[in-house]
Amino acid sequence: GAVVSQHPSRVICKSGTSVKIECRSLDFQATTMFWYRQFPKKSLMLMATSNEGSKATYEQGVEKDKFLINHASLTLSTLTVTSAHPEDSSFYICSASSTGGLDGYTFGSGTRLTVV
Amino acid sequence: AQSVTQLGSHVSVSEGALVLLRCNYSSSVPPYLFWYVQYPNQGLQLLLKYTSAATLVKGINGFEAEFKKSETSFHLTKPSAHMSDAAEYFCAVTRTSSASKIIFGSGTRLSIRP
Repeated sequence: GAVVSQHPSRVICKSGTSVKIECRSLDFQATTMFWYRQFPKKSLMLMATSNEGSKATYEQGVEKDKFLINHASLTLSTLTVTSAHPEDSSFYICSASSTGGLDGYTFGSGTRLTVV
Repeated sequence: AQSVTQLGSHVSVSEGALVLLRCNYSSSVPPYLFWYVQYPNQGLQLLLKYTSAATLVKGINGFEAEFKKSETSFHLTKPSAHMSDAAEYFCAVTRTSSASKIIFGSGTRLSIRP
């Protein structure tokens, strides 16, 4: 079945630095990927829709200059948290579909970001 | 706009007992509905999906859900709970079109008592 690989699984960074998270579709091409943020004991909040070859579409309230999304190929989307602060600490999850979402989406294993 | 509401943020059942996790949806267009399970510090795994075919959907690990349009519900059930079922469960909805974003419910944490 469809596999989505997310890397790294866990990262600790200093306040003010930037962190890049990768999301890869391993055995299929994904023109669209989604990035979610999950706070402890909370649901998934959609941050943005990543479109291959074009600008990402951000949800209301999400700072596009803070969370940079690049979808340069059909198998790779990246999320860069710029000038990270402790409040950016969270669990970030990506998802993609091999069928345009009609059969559901496959999720990456998530990235635990801790900003110290 | 689409949304899902999960009733009960925490459900606790005894091992071997029936599991019932409730989900109600709101959608102005025919929806696709999903149930996902999440174990601690992991991503989400698809349990089952409703995509306008059979209203009773069977998924993995013995779970099933029934789409009831009249009640706008998509409740998740399992006849007999196992300890390994303890996890967070999310109901989700999306539009019946390509690459539509998925909207998640608030989640229900399922605990299993020995």
